[in-house]
Amino acid sequence: GENVEQHPSTLSVQEGDSAVIKCTYSDSASNYFPWYKQELGKRPQLIIDIRSNVGEKKDQRIAVTLNKTAKHFSLHITETQPEDSAVYFCAAGPGGSARQLTFGSGTQLTVLP
Amino acid sequence: IAGITQAPTSQILAAGRRMTLRCTQDMRHNAMYWYRQDLGLGLRLIHYSNTAGTTGKGEVPDGYSVSRANTDDFPLTLASAVPSQTSVYFCASSDVGHGELFFGEGSRLTVL
Repeated sequence: GENVEQHPSTLSVQEGDSAVIKCTYSDSASNYFPWYKQELGKRPQLIIDIRSNVGEKKDQRIAVTLNKTAKHFSLHITETQPEDSAVYFCAAGPGGSARQLTFGSGTQLTVLP
Repeated sequence: IAGITQAPTSQILAAGRRMTLRCTQDMRHNAMYWYRQDLGLGLRLIHYSNTAGTTGKGEVPDGYSVSRANTDDFPLTLASAVPSQTSVYFCASSDVGHGELFFGEGSRLTVL
C-alpha cells in the first residue's frame, strides 16, 4: 500500500516569512495529492490539492508543487500570518477516491508575531 | 448549516464498555468514512461506506464496526472498548468520484 512521509513534524517561522512542508510517497499509482489544514480543536479542511497532470498549483499565498519522478510534493506558504498557525496534513492516493487516501503524520506550523 | 454532525463531542468510557459514536450528514454525499487521529500518526481510516447498504474496512478496523442503513447516518461502534482506542475520531463524507473530504468536528474518546 501507499506510504506517505511528512517533514518536518514541527515548524516555527516569523510572521511574514515563508514556510515549506514536504511529503514523499511510495506508490507510483497515486495521482491525487491534497493538503488539509487543522486549526487547534477544529476539523481538518481542504486548502489545496494537485493532480499528477500538473506540476504546480497556486491559490493566493499557498502553492503546491509536485515531482512525480522523485515522488514528492510540497506545500509553500508565503507571507505567513498568525492565522496560518495550524497542523497541516498531506495525503496521497489514486484520483477520485477519498477512501484510498493515505495521510502523512502532520506538521505543526507556528507563526510567531 | 449543511455539514456533518458528530455526537458525542467528548466521552470518558470504562474499558470493556460498548460505545457508539454517531455521525449524520445532510450533504447527500454517497461516501462516508471514520478516521482516528493520534499524535504523530496523522489520520488513519477505520471503516468506510461508498453507498448506503455497503461498508468496507480501512487501515485500522479491528475493534470497530459500522453500519450504513441510509445515506445520512454512519455510526461507529466499539463493542468492548480498550485503552488503545483512546483517540479523536472524525467522521467524514465525500461525493464518490471526488477526492475532497468534509469532516465533522470530531469526537474525543478516552478509555480508562
